Amino acid sequence: GENVEQHPSTLSVQEGDSAVIKCTYSDSASNYFPWYKQELGKRPQLIIDIRSNVGEKKDQRIAVTLNKTAKHFSLHITETQPEDSAVYFCAASITGGGNKLTFGTGTQLKVEL
Amino acid sequence: GAGVSQSPSNKVTEKGKDVELRCDPISGHTALYWYRQSLGQGLEFLIYFQGNSAPDKSGLPSDRFSAERTGGSVSTLTIQRTQQEDSAVYLCASSLRSQGVYEQYFGPGTRLTVT
Repeated sequence: GENVEQHPSTLSVQEGDSAVIKCTYSDSASNYFPWYKQELGKRPQLIIDIRSNVGEKKDQRIAVTLNKTAKHFSLHITETQPEDSAVYFCAASITGGGNKLTFGTGTQLKVEL
Repeated sequence: GAGVSQSPSNKVTEKGKDVELRCDPISGHTALYWYRQSLGQGLEFLIYFQGNSAPDKSGLPSDRFSAERTGGSVSTLTIQRTQQEDSAVYLCASSLRSQGVYEQYFGPGTRLTVT
């Protein structure tokens, strides 16, 4: 089955700096890669996603890149703000296979003032 | 509109007891997923439904775990003879369909503690 690894497990940045979180996946059939943000005690919420036929996607301060050959994808947050502090999870799925998500183990991002 | 809801929000039970966790998906969503989140861990897939059918139960940890969905809406996850290692947050998610690119919307979860 699919295995998703995520690094780093914790990340501390100064407000205004950029943050990068990296994930690798094992199943070359995976074709959908969402990123979820989970604030303490709250439900995970989708912040951005990318399909395998796209190499990069941006949404304001957030961007995701995908390298299918290397089977890795990354989340980039620019101009970080304190409200970006949360746990971020990457995930992978096969959209034709029920779309069950295989998650990475999460990155605790702390944005310091 | 209303999001995914789950009940109870917290459940404390004694080892060996059975528990039922409930999920109400977003109206009109035909796909429903159950995940488990252990302390400090990522989310682990358990089972998903398309309508009332469960095409993939591969994530259920043991035969003590079962789930059903009726009327294409509400789902219940049942854990029989609970063990301490079952302690976790159980999250439900729903999406419009299980085939294709559709966002999964998560519920608030049920925190299960087995003493």
